[in-house]
Amino acid sequence: DTAVSQTPKYLVTQMGNDKSIKCEQNLGHDTMYWYKQDSKKFLKIMFSYNNKELIINETVPNRFSPKSPDKAHLNLHINSLELGDSAVYFCASGDPNQPQHFGDGTRLSIL
Amino acid sequence: GENVEQHPSTLSVQEGDSAVIKCTYSDSASNYFPWYKQELGKGPQLIIDIRSNVGEKKDQRIAVTLNKTAKHFSLHITETQPEDSAVYFCAASISYGGSQGNLIFGKGTKLSVKP
Repeated sequence: DTAVSQTPKYLVTQMGNDKSIKCEQNLGHDTMYWYKQDSKKFLKIMFSYNNKELIINETVPNRFSPKSPDKAHLNLHINSLELGDSAVYFCASGDPNQPQHFGDGTRLSIL
Repeated sequence: GENVEQHPSTLSVQEGDSAVIKCTYSDSASNYFPWYKQELGKGPQLIIDIRSNVGEKKDQRIAVTLNKTAKHFSLHITETQPEDSAVYFCAASISYGGSQGNLIFGKGTKLSVKP
């Protein structure tokens, strides 16, 4: 049973397109996160989302927007994709003061 | 803000040897320190964590030590096995009340265990 699942695993698209990555967690956690891992493996938080409220946004371009239809889902929408958006994007979930659990990532490649 | 430095960036050991990865952090208010293992094509998986009220924690072949005064913490893997080969990340964050701050990650250590 996958705790945090994200789709698609691979996403190849043209510059300028709009795309979405879906994330679902079945752990009952209150908070969900999106991270970006660049080509050097550096992991950086993009968003955290708790009770329909965006509580952290780390200087991410406004082309990126998280959307949460319910507590178990946090989808990442990206508008006007740029070459520099190529990376692996990870979704995670966790409760306050507890470890975060990560999905297996979505590798986004911009042509 | 918090900054986490991790060393070494690559580490190669013989099967059965020990491996040590070290991290330092800058914000003395940080009080939660997890370690993650990332295998190829997978997401980071928590392997052990430690909070600032504890100096050492062990789980079978894995141990973490924390020196709050020096602001550094280390991961120790004993009796390494080929399946320990992966990228390891340390992280630091501030937990307060009912919330947890950002996890700030180190840049990772690629561990290779040679049979």
